[in-house]
Amino acid sequence: AQSVTQLGSHVSVSEGALVLLRCNYSSSVPPYLFWYVQYPNQGLQLLLKYTSAATLVKGINGFEAEFKKSETSFHLTKPSAHMSDAAEYFCAVTTYSSASKIIFGSGTRLSIRP
Amino acid sequence: NAGVTQTPKFQVLKTGQSMTLQCAQDMNHNSMYWYRQDPGMGLRLIYYSASEGTTDKGEVPNGYNVSRLNKREFSLRLESAAPSQTSVYFCASRDEQGGRDYGYTFGSGTRLTVV
Repeated sequence: AQSVTQLGSHVSVSEGALVLLRCNYSSSVPPYLFWYVQYPNQGLQLLLKYTSAATLVKGINGFEAEFKKSETSFHLTKPSAHMSDAAEYFCAVTTYSSASKIIFGSGTRLSIRP
Repeated sequence: NAGVTQTPKFQVLKTGQSMTLQCAQDMNHNSMYWYRQDPGMGLRLIYYSASEGTTDKGEVPNGYNVSRLNKREFSLRLESAAPSQTSVYFCASRDEQGGRDYGYTFGSGTRLTVV
């Protein structure tokens, strides 16, 4: 079985500061990991994905995440926050099989201070 | 544009009424999913369909039924709506290529209020 834990339901950073959103996963087999972003009143949009290739994954809008097996982590970072980054971010885990399902974390709301 | 289309976008129901939420994808994905999103609870899986002709229960299936009409369409039905089913509902399809999982594509959601 898989699970994912997002540390911090709400993170607030200043514009231009580093963004760090934390995600830890649990999986008994090699996982696939994802970060999704949800802007107000919209659906979820895929930011980036790890599917067992490079451990440092670059996504859209300047975000990246690093898969660290020893720490079972997949934290999301962005060097310099922009006001448009304000949104809710979801980490998710799955494994590949025809019957597997993607499991989402509870989400982290990112606020950006001017 | 390719993607997942959900209808309607908004709906208000009275307790006990029934309705069907429609979902269609044009990306030739095999798997499709229905989630509900409630504040502070993330996304919870209601039902999913791993392939045309099959459906399975997720975490919170009670009060819902689904139909995988064909490869493109996956509908969610509320037979007798209850206030506890007030939520935002998302449909998603899954991108699988060469035995790898490349993530889900989500529709824009249906905001359902049951009064």
